[in-house]
Amino acid sequence: EDQVTQSPEALRLQEGESSSLNCSYTVSGLRGLFWYRQDPGKGPEFLFTLYSAGEEKEKERLKATLTKKESFLHITAPKPEDSATYLCAVQAGPNSGYALNFGKGTSLLVTP
Amino acid sequence: NAGVMQNPRHLVRRRGQEARLRCSPMKGHSHVYWYRQLPEEGLKFMVYLQKENIIDESGMPKERFSAEFPKEGPSILRIQQVVRGDSAAYFCASSPNLGTNEKLFFGSGTQLSVL
Repeated sequence: EDQVTQSPEALRLQEGESSSLNCSYTVSGLRGLFWYRQDPGKGPEFLFTLYSAGEEKEKERLKATLTKKESFLHITAPKPEDSATYLCAVQAGPNSGYALNFGKGTSLLVTP
Repeated sequence: NAGVMQNPRHLVRRRGQEARLRCSPMKGHSHVYWYRQLPEEGLKFMVYLQKENIIDESGMPKERFSAEFPKEGPSILRIQQVVRGDSAAYFCASSPNLGTNEKLFFGSGTQLSVL
């Protein structure tokens, strides 16, 4: 069965204190790994898609990386506005339909 | 360009009543997905629809739940005879392309509370 596990569940950082969020996955044939950001009371907002091990993508203070077993979301010099829940999701191989399988998320709080 | 619109934002129902959740995809998008987020749980896929077709309903409960995306008008997620366990946030997402999931655009969700 496909599984997505995110750690830590919650993370508190001081402004400027860099860190990484982890997403471990087991899936039968990875079609894509996705990172989304979710603010309270809102729907998830797309950040990145990664397709193969070794791939990296960057956007402002965020950088996502992918290996065969896990993905990291690196946050460099975070600001309070980066506070949100970060969701990881995987889409399995061609016989697995169209569902994204989401982890439970990492709740990030960045304090001034 | 308006984003994905869901209504109502909040819906309160008593046990046994029906709940209808509406979703208008982004302009130009013809693919709609419904996800459910239970307290302390991750988002769970329910159903994927195109206009007038259900493509993948592997995440839909077998009873009481149905979804449609008519040729005209919004997509509707219908829950009959609601129970307390149906209380959750229901999110709709849309995409322009066939099943790629490359970039799903989510609405702000409907919070269903069953009394």
